[in-house]
Order: sequence, then C-alpha cells, then structure tokens
Amino acid sequence: DIQMTQSPSTLSAAVGDRVTFTCRASQMIYTWLAWYQQKPGKPPKLLIYDSSTLQTGVPSRFSGTMSGTEFTLTISSLQPADSATYYCQQYNTYPWTFGQGTKVEIK
Amino acid sequence: EVQLLESGGGLVQPGGSLRLSCSVSGFSFSNYRMNWVRQAPGKGLEWVANIKQDGSETYYADSVRGRFTISRDNADNSLSLQMDSLRAEDTALYYCARGMTVWSGFYFMDSWGQGTLVTVSS
Repeated sequence: DIQMTQSPSTLSAAVGDRVTFTCRASQMIYTWLAWYQQKPGKPPKLLIYDSSTLQTGVPSRFSGTMSGTEFTLTISSLQPADSATYYCQQYNTYPWTFGQGTKVEIK
Repeated sequence: EVQLLESGGGLVQPGGSLRLSCSVSGFSFSNYRMNWVRQAPGKGLEWVANIKQDGSETYYADSVRGRFTISRDNADNSLSLQMDSLRAEDTALYYCARGMTVWSGFYFMDSWGQGTLVTVSS
C-alpha cells in the first residue's frame, strides 16, 4: 500500500500568514492527489484535486503543488475560517490512502 | 444540489453484522463511482471501499476485505455497505462519498454525506 505522510501534525499561525504544509507519498502517484479540509463535526470538503486544481467554489488563497512524490498545500493569507484539519489522499492506486492530517490553528 | 444521506448505523456486538445505506439525490447516480470512507472517533480518515458505476468492479481496504461488501442499486439511487464479522476497531463514523473524474479516469471524492455512526461493543 502507498503510505502518505503529512507534516507537520499541527501548525499554529496568525491571520494573514502564509502557511504551507506537505504530504509525501511512499511511491510515485503522479498527479493523483487530493486535499480535503475537515472542520469538527463536519464531513471532509474537497479543496484541490489532481494535485493542483482548485475545486469550484474554493477560495483562491488555497493552492497545491507537486514535486516528485512531495505535495504541498499553501494558504496564501490565513483566515479564521481556515481553522481545520487538512488531509491529503492519493487515488493513483487502490487501496486509496490518506495522510494522517495537519491541524491548523489560528493564533 | 448534490445530496448524500447515510443511514443504518448503530450499536452492534463484536462478530455481528450491520448494513449501511446511502441514498443520493441531485445527480445521476448511475454515472458515478461511489465510495465508503470511515473515521474512528478522534482519528483520521480511512478509505473503505469503492464500486464502479455498473457495480462490475469493487475495491476494498485491506482492513475490511472479506468482511465488508459494497453494492449499489442504480434503479433506487442507493449505495450499501454490508458489514459482517464486526470488530471493535470498526467503530467509526461512516461516510459515503461520490467518486469524480474530470478527464483522466482517475477518481477523487468530491461530495460527501454527513455520515452514520457505527459502534461495535459488547
């Protein structure tokens, strides 16, 4: 199975900060990676698919990039509404696998 | 509006069975792959199973293969997950999620239900 490793586990930043967190795949998954945002008591929400394509309706402050097996989610200007846990997920190969999540807290 | 509504969760004893359902509306169900994803209390997301549009292909996580069966009824716009030989570690909120592809044939999950809670305990 493909292992997805996210870092950091927790991130604390101020409103307006640029924040970046990463997801590393244990093997090549090409561009087949999605990012989800999950707030407490809510289902996950798709933010980005195909590693860098923004889902319709998602604010443009979110962006995704890839380099080999390392993927990055960036929030260009952190907002209070961005307080959540973010998960990456590969869909290159079954079984699909998620990273363990990065929790973003607002200072 | 795309809507997915899970049902069927509850308390079950270890070794028991439970059948989850997901009723959908707002899209042409038969055109989409469908998935089950679970989340244990306080834990991360775990993909469970996937089924092709016509039901001819299914995929499972290693942790549930041989115990869980995903199925669908396109005439009824419904997805099911039959869970047998349940274990304490199957305790989780179970989500159904729509599989989406734009052009590649590689599917991601773009719409999710609110989930149904399964508790396996004696």
